[in-house]
Amino acid sequence: NAGVTQTPKFQVLKTGQSMTLQCAQDMNHNSMYWYRQDPGMGLRLIYYSASEGTTDKGEVPNGYNVSRLNKREFSLRLESAAPSQTSVYFCASSTLAGAHEQFFGPGTRLTVL
Amino acid sequence: QKEVEQDPGPLSVPEGAIVSLNCTYSNSAFQYFMWYRQYSRKGPELLMYTYSSGNKEDGRFTAQVDKSSKYISLFIRDSQPSDSATYLCAMSAINRGYQKVTFGTGTKLQVIP
Repeated sequence: NAGVTQTPKFQVLKTGQSMTLQCAQDMNHNSMYWYRQDPGMGLRLIYYSASEGTTDKGEVPNGYNVSRLNKREFSLRLESAAPSQTSVYFCASSTLAGAHEQFFGPGTRLTVL
Repeated sequence: QKEVEQDPGPLSVPEGAIVSLNCTYSNSAFQYFMWYRQYSRKGPELLMYTYSSGNKEDGRFTAQVDKSSKYISLFIRDSQPSDSATYLCAMSAINRGYQKVTFGTGTKLQVIP
């Protein structure tokens, strides 16, 4: 039982490059989330998927896209990376009615030069 | 004004001390109040949550919610070096049929042996 896994753990991009962050959970959760964490800003929601087949914007969606591939997997794509997207990205999951009990992955540290 | 305010610390205490961590909030619609612990370079993990007002105890940890003052606290008794981490408060409210979670910026705690 791995919980929430994220790949890659670290990534360095040049401005304008694209990449996809992968997330998978094995807890049979319906809801999945992508956050970014910056010093002094706390965790900010980028996108979420309340259930398979649905996605919605969070607090800071600009510059990102998501895909809920199936119930287990939720990916985050940066189409044209910018230095302002340098951050630590966390994926999380929860039951449909249990957003107050989110399970987080280990994070991806992304640097955009 | 942020919806959730949390003193960033850092807070440094000797082993065995009682630690008090606090958050204030402005949204009276918040229903769930959570505390997450985040070790360095790891994802947050849920410590405990309370629904509405009152206290909740789990071992050395006690969470308190005072909705009249819009103030929540986490107390750690007999603090241990292993408690050294960043503690994030979080709160949730139903927003357009979805339970929206707002995180504080976190308080960094160091327990000195």
